[in-house]
Amino acid sequence: SAVISQKPSRDICQRGTSLTIQCQVDSQVTMMFWYRQQPGQSLTLIATANQGSEATYESGFVIDKFPISRPNLTFSTLTVSNMSPEDSSIYLCSVGRTVNTEAFFGQGTRLTVV
Amino acid sequence: QQQVKQSPQSLIVQKGGISIINCAYENTAFDYFPWYQQFPGKGPALLIAIRPDVSEKKEGRFTISFNKSAKQFSLHIMDSQPGDSATYFCAARSRNFNKFYFGSGTKLNVKP
Repeated sequence: SAVISQKPSRDICQRGTSLTIQCQVDSQVTMMFWYRQQPGQSLTLIATANQGSEATYESGFVIDKFPISRPNLTFSTLTVSNMSPEDSSIYLCSVGRTVNTEAFFGQGTRLTVV
Repeated sequence: QQQVKQSPQSLIVQKGGISIINCAYENTAFDYFPWYQQFPGKGPALLIAIRPDVSEKKEGRFTISFNKSAKQFSLHIMDSQPGDSATYFCAARSRNFNKFYFGSGTKLNVKP
């Protein structure tokens, strides 16, 4: 498995502001993903974070709202921009060491927008 | 359209009983089927997983049964314990895009 650290673990933010979430892995991984989990709901994939290139976004998610960086094989950030209360969710970083291996999750960032 | 359908939404089992959670899928490009366990305030933790060339996998009290022809798989928790009370998610990975699709989750409550 991989040790995944997410920061912050939780935050309360004002609407209209932005929050950047960090995901740090203890070893190099090929695959990094960002998910959203709304209260009591399942996990929805936001995007695949690609090292050295633009992230690949899922339907319904756009780069302007959720810009993602991945400068190396152990680190990624997700920014939630121009937040509204509808963005209140848990945001989860997930990693896979190589293609076609298990996916592991960080503890998540619980975001509340007021 | 939900790629992986999971049932039941919630489940109450007595201590020592068997918990059974079912999932179904349609996409034949799925090649890996994990189950995750999530406690409140925590991220999902990989519990057990199976590939479609195997019909059953057992790890301790946890067993996955896989029916490739029916496109169904299930998680069985034997001798269920109160500590097993959590939300369980099934998932399926797309071979083509290496993406995971999750079921809607089952909240399990094991009563002492």
